[in-house]
Amino acid sequence: DVKVTQSSRYLVKRTGEKVFLECVQDMDHENMFWYRQDPGLGLRLIYFSYDVKMKEKGDIPEGYSVSREKKERFSLILESASTNQTSMYLCASSLYDGEEHSNQPQHFGDGTRLSIL
Amino acid sequence: SQQGEEDPQALSIQEGENATMNCSYKTSINNLQWYRQNSGRGLVHLILIRSNEREKHSGRLRVTLDTSKKSSSLLITASRAADTASYFCATALLFTGGGNKLTFGTGTQLKVEL
Repeated sequence: DVKVTQSSRYLVKRTGEKVFLECVQDMDHENMFWYRQDPGLGLRLIYFSYDVKMKEKGDIPEGYSVSREKKERFSLILESASTNQTSMYLCASSLYDGEEHSNQPQHFGDGTRLSIL
Repeated sequence: SQQGEEDPQALSIQEGENATMNCSYKTSINNLQWYRQNSGRGLVHLILIRSNEREKHSGRLRVTLDTSKKSSSLLITASRAADTASYFCATALLFTGGGNKLTFGTGTQLKVEL
């Protein structure tokens, strides 16, 4: 089974701090994703990566950056945390199967519930 | 922009009954996926249906896809209390580099009562 591990289940930080959320997957997946989940808004994609050192903006990248120095690890960085970044953050990974129309599911971690005070 | 929209937002049924959830979307897709989320946990992939498929089964799950109407439905038969969770549809578009970029709906909260 694929295992996606997020470093913290709960995290409390202060406004203005630089916050790092870590995600590790153990299945050698090429693709990794960061989402945030808010009530009534569903999941929204922040950033994704399809290879080491490659990153692409998702739908809501403002206020965030990412780092992928190793294939198994994808970090989300809040450069200067603000209260509107209080949310549940979910990391996911998926395999690139090399097909022209790739049809692979995403595998999710258990999430990090981040509170910015 | 939100691609998938689920209907209903909430559904309460008795154990043993069937549960049907619907999803509508706006643009062409590569595939459509359904996920389940238990309270406070991550999402678990349930089933994926490709854009050229019309129906797919997995255990007690049945998914249909109508690309002409841009809609999908998830049917859970003979529901159990353990099926209580939130269910999300996600539409998939291919991105450069290989893989699917998912856009999620806001979900259907299913409650199965004993």
